[in-house]
Amino acid sequence: QVQLVQSGAEVKKPGASVKVSCKASGYTFTSYDINWVRQATGQGLEWMGWMNPNSGNTGYAQKFQGRVTMTRNTSISTAYMELSSLRSEDTAVYYCARGGGYYESDYWGQGTLVTVSS
Amino acid sequence: EIVLTQSPGTLSLSPGERATLSCRASQSVSSSYLAWYQQKPGQAPRLLIYGASSRATGIPDRFSGSGSGTDFTLTISRLEPEDFAVYYCQQYGSSQTFGQGTKVEIK
Repeated sequence: QVQLVQSGAEVKKPGASVKVSCKASGYTFTSYDINWVRQATGQGLEWMGWMNPNSGNTGYAQKFQGRVTMTRNTSISTAYMELSSLRSEDTAVYYCARGGGYYESDYWGQGTLVTVSS
Repeated sequence: EIVLTQSPGTLSLSPGERATLSCRASQSVSSSYLAWYQQKPGQAPRLLIYGASSRATGIPDRFSGSGSGTDFTLTISRLEPEDFAVYYCQQYGSSQTFGQGTKVEIK
């Protein structure tokens, strides 16, 4: 069965960077894009960007341009999302999901809580 | 950026009733690249509808989606206890954006 398993919770100081991983199983990793979406506590879903694991091509939401980097390691079927220059407003649960570009997100990871606090 | 506006913000209904949720886009959503997700507290979103009207795998037929262009609707024909949750629409035809969500609560 399709599964996306994300790395554990992180606590970071303002100005630092965080890198969240998303390990895929149950399907061919390079055949589907990966989306990244975040959700602050009590708030709605916010799309951050997508990555094509086959080509490495990416597309980022304008809000995160220059601060987010999405990469992958195809040998271990894992996608990564790195967010830099963290501020308190970046405190949220970060989700990876299968699908991106012109595709809906049909499978989701369990989410990774990133807390930014001094 | 395409802005999606969902209404109402909260829908208070009883089990067995019909729920109608609206999602309006600030400009036309190309090729009906519109999806609906359900989210329960502490859980990841679950895909319900894609392509505006196609049910995702395993989704009961009481969930249906309709619409095109700028106006889309999610209908739950008869609410079951497990349907009380927050629902989000998403467009993925021009970059991607989500609506702000509609909470369906028990009356």
